[in-house]
Amino acid sequence: EAGVAQSPRYKIIEKRQSVAFWCNPISGHATLYWYQQILGQGPKLLIQFQNNGVVDDSQLPKDRFSAERLKGVDSTLKIQPAKLEDSAVYLCASRFSGANVLTFGAGSRLTVL
Amino acid sequence: DAKTTQPPSMDCAEGRAANLPCNHSTISGNEYVYWYRQIHSQGPQYIIHGLKNNETNEMASLIITEDRKSSTLILPHATLRDTAVYYCIVRDYSGNTPLVFGKGTRLSVIA
Repeated sequence: EAGVAQSPRYKIIEKRQSVAFWCNPISGHATLYWYQQILGQGPKLLIQFQNNGVVDDSQLPKDRFSAERLKGVDSTLKIQPAKLEDSAVYLCASRFSGANVLTFGAGSRLTVL
Repeated sequence: DAKTTQPPSMDCAEGRAANLPCNHSTISGNEYVYWYRQIHSQGPQYIIHGLKNNETNEMASLIITEDRKSSTLILPHATLRDTAVYYCIVRDYSGNTPLVFGKGTRLSVIA
């Protein structure tokens, strides 16, 4: 089966600019996650979707981060305006309902200058 | 916060067994132990999980102590491609709670 697709793989922006990341999960996977991974740390959950509804966004900095999954399939994570500390890899993962294993994409690496 | 403790780094000679320890002294009865690994520039990859019995698959073996307070991931014949960060995670089986990652163990397999 095809894996979790993410784009772009790399993005460089200046602080206060905006950026958007796209994720297409594995077909049929109802649960979708966005994680942020800062260099040298483990991934940290930003938001979890079940179909097109938000299950957990408690760690999403809502003043600058937003995410949507309008049709319950692909998802977009947006940062506006970006700060230096947002430099990280943004990982998307998906899971089939009833399964307990997450499949991750390769990630989108953001550098904020 | 992560509920597990792992050594920050380990080395292993190529072809030898790599034994990666994990402490999870506060694990509760309905929580499983999961292992993922992350190779450089890739997303984390699932390896194995278990509740209380030892588990083995094509990638690795998982040994969980009888009191379930610690476990060991075993890569029986490590290769250079096994160089990665290995994460030990405890999580309930329902899947409703997210994976909480710690810093993991950076395993370096040396030729």
